[in-house]
Amino acid sequence: GNSVTQMEGPVTLSEEAFLTINCTYTATGYPSLFWYVQYPGEGLQLLLKATKADDKGSNKGFEATYRKETTSFHLEKGSVQVSDSAVYFCALRGRGGADGLTFGKGTHLIIQP
Amino acid sequence: GAGVSQSPSNKVTEKGKDVELRCDPISGHTALYWYRQSLGQGLEFLIYFQGNSAPDKSGLPSDRFSAERTGGSVSTLTIQRTQQEDSAVYLCASSVDRGYEQYFGPGTRLTVT
Repeated sequence: GNSVTQMEGPVTLSEEAFLTINCTYTATGYPSLFWYVQYPGEGLQLLLKATKADDKGSNKGFEATYRKETTSFHLEKGSVQVSDSAVYFCALRGRGGADGLTFGKGTHLIIQP
Repeated sequence: GAGVSQSPSNKVTEKGKDVELRCDPISGHTALYWYRQSLGQGLEFLIYFQGNSAPDKSGLPSDRFSAERTGGSVSTLTIQRTQQEDSAVYLCASSVDRGYEQYFGPGTRLTVT
C-alpha cells in the first residue's frame, strides 16, 4: 500500500535559518504529492503540490520538487520566520485508486526569534 | 465564502455510547472526505463520498463506524459503542470534484472516557 515517511521533530531553528524537512514515499504508479500545514489553533491548509515527476511546487517561500528516482518530496525554505512555526504534513494521493490522502506523521517546526 | 464547517467542535462521551459527528462541506463541492487524527496513528483516511455514494470505505477501522451523506451535501459520521481508542480529532474535507484540492474543516475533538 501507499505510505509516507517524514521526520517527526520537533525541529527547532532560529529565524532566518535554512529549512529542510525530508519526505519520502512508497506508492504504486505516479502519485500526486502535497505538503499541508497546520498552524496553531487552525485547520489543515494546502501549502504546495506537485502532480508529476520533476514538478516543483512553491508557495510562501517554500519549495518542494517531485523526485521520482529517489521517491522524495523534501520541503525547503531559504529563510524561515517565527510565523512559519507549525506542523507540516507530507501527503500523497494515488492515481486510479482511493482518493483519500495518505499522510506522514507530521513535523512540528519551531522557529525561535 | 464559507469554508468547511464541523460540529460539534468538542465532544466528550462515555465508553459504549454512540456519537454523531457532522460535516457541512463548501457549497457546490461534490467530493467529501473524512479523516481521523490521533496521537498514535497520525492522520488516517476513513471514507470518501462522491455525491451521495461512498465508493471508497476502505479506511473505516471497524463496523462500528458508518457514514452517510444526504442531498449531496451534509455528511454524518456515526461511531457506535465508542471505545477509548476512538478518541481523536475527526476531520472533514471537501473538494469541487474528485482529484481536486481538498479543503479541511476545523475538526471535531472526540474524547471517550
